[in-house]
Amino acid sequence: EAGVAQSPRYKIIEKRQSVAFWCNPISGHATLYWYQQILGQGPKLLIQFQNNGVVDDSQLPKDRFSAERLKGVDSTLKIQPAKLEDSAVYLCASSPVTYTEAFFGQGTRLTVV
Amino acid sequence: KQEVTQIPAALSVPEGENLVLNCSFTDSAIYNLQWFRQDPGKGLTSLLLIQSSQREQTSGRLNASLDKSSGRSTLYIAASQPGDSATYLCAVRYEAMRFGAGTRLTVKP
Repeated sequence: EAGVAQSPRYKIIEKRQSVAFWCNPISGHATLYWYQQILGQGPKLLIQFQNNGVVDDSQLPKDRFSAERLKGVDSTLKIQPAKLEDSAVYLCASSPVTYTEAFFGQGTRLTVV
Repeated sequence: KQEVTQIPAALSVPEGENLVLNCSFTDSAIYNLQWFRQDPGKGLTSLLLIQSSQREQTSGRLNASLDKSSGRSTLYIAASQPGDSATYLCAVRYEAMRFGAGTRLTVKP
């Protein structure tokens, strides 16, 4: 069974530029999560989808971050404009339904210079 | 507020030792708790999932326990090996899944 796929693996951009990350969850998984992990810290939830509906986006900086999950399958996370403090690893995860085991992708390492 | 704390932040042990990693959480109304391993530059690998109604789960040399009433979970690693060196993360499932900062484990040959 294929795991959670994320792309790109690495991205370097200048501050004030925009960037987008893509995630394809495990087939059939209804719940999809985006996490931000700053170096030395645990992952912080940015947004959680159940199918194509948003369950929790309370920690998403909505002035610059946006996410969508069209058709309830793959998802994109966008940052516009990026700030230096957005440098982090962005992790995508999925689970069959909300309260079951979650599986993570390899992450996208973003460096903002 | 739903906070998750992991102690210690870092741990270094010689090969062959048994060790315990700790996770505590402030709100005991959890659905489940999941332990992950993270290698440098990699994503998270699921190790064990404990449902709120369970007391422990075992997988090979790993044993995770859960005491929901006291807000604590432990991950026990038996006969540690250099390949166990990684960061271990505890995630507590409420409506959202909240992580601790992790314990960075080094097992020396």
